[in-house]
Amino acid sequence: QKEVEQDPGPLSVPEGAIVSLNCTYSNSAFQYFMWYRQYSRKGPELLMYTYSSGNKEDGRFTAQVDKSSKYISLFIRDSQPSDSATYLCAMMRSGGSNYKLTFGKGTLLTVNP
Amino acid sequence: DVKVTQSSRYLVKRTGEKVFLECVQDMDHENMFWYRQDPGLGLRLIYFSYDVKMKEKGDIPEGYSVSREKKERFSLILESASTNQTSMYLCASSPGRTNGYTFGSGTRLTVV
Repeated sequence: QKEVEQDPGPLSVPEGAIVSLNCTYSNSAFQYFMWYRQYSRKGPELLMYTYSSGNKEDGRFTAQVDKSSKYISLFIRDSQPSDSATYLCAMMRSGGSNYKLTFGKGTLLTVNP
Repeated sequence: DVKVTQSSRYLVKRTGEKVFLECVQDMDHENMFWYRQDPGLGLRLIYFSYDVKMKEKGDIPEGYSVSREKKERFSLILESASTNQTSMYLCASSPGRTNGYTFGSGTRLTVV
């Protein structure tokens, strides 16, 4: 079983839709959870950072972590064409080599005007 | 803003050549990383460094080496380039043990 699973999509939605992106993981040692956004031909940029379980909101973006289910989500409200990108989940263990991130393979999102 | 700068956006090299990819960060970050990104395979860690002159192998170090002589600079070396090393190479840095990464814009390397 892969450590981090992410549906590659592609996901296509109309402008204004609510988007839900998800990852599952198998390693219960993961404590730090992140979402990165990657535009075409660019490097990933950090979008959301969450420690342990719970929700975090930043503008139109909400990150959720459910450690009991080993499941994380990113919600995008009122999606815009500028949100079209690949979204990567990433996770980090606590302790040991805990500065190494494990990435999902990314979900390609297109928001149509 | 933290900046991670990769020296080349696009590079074409011949099979067997020694290739140097350079990465510089300007925010005094301790940790630096080299990844390659391929369709369907995602990001794969090649090498990382948590201090000057320190390095650790990632998940796919074969065919690569690295050098970190100064804190701000982390170089990836392809000892003898092969066509299966054609890829997008991404450098990243982070300031501590639990922080997110800042990535460079990537180098698209083609080996012919």
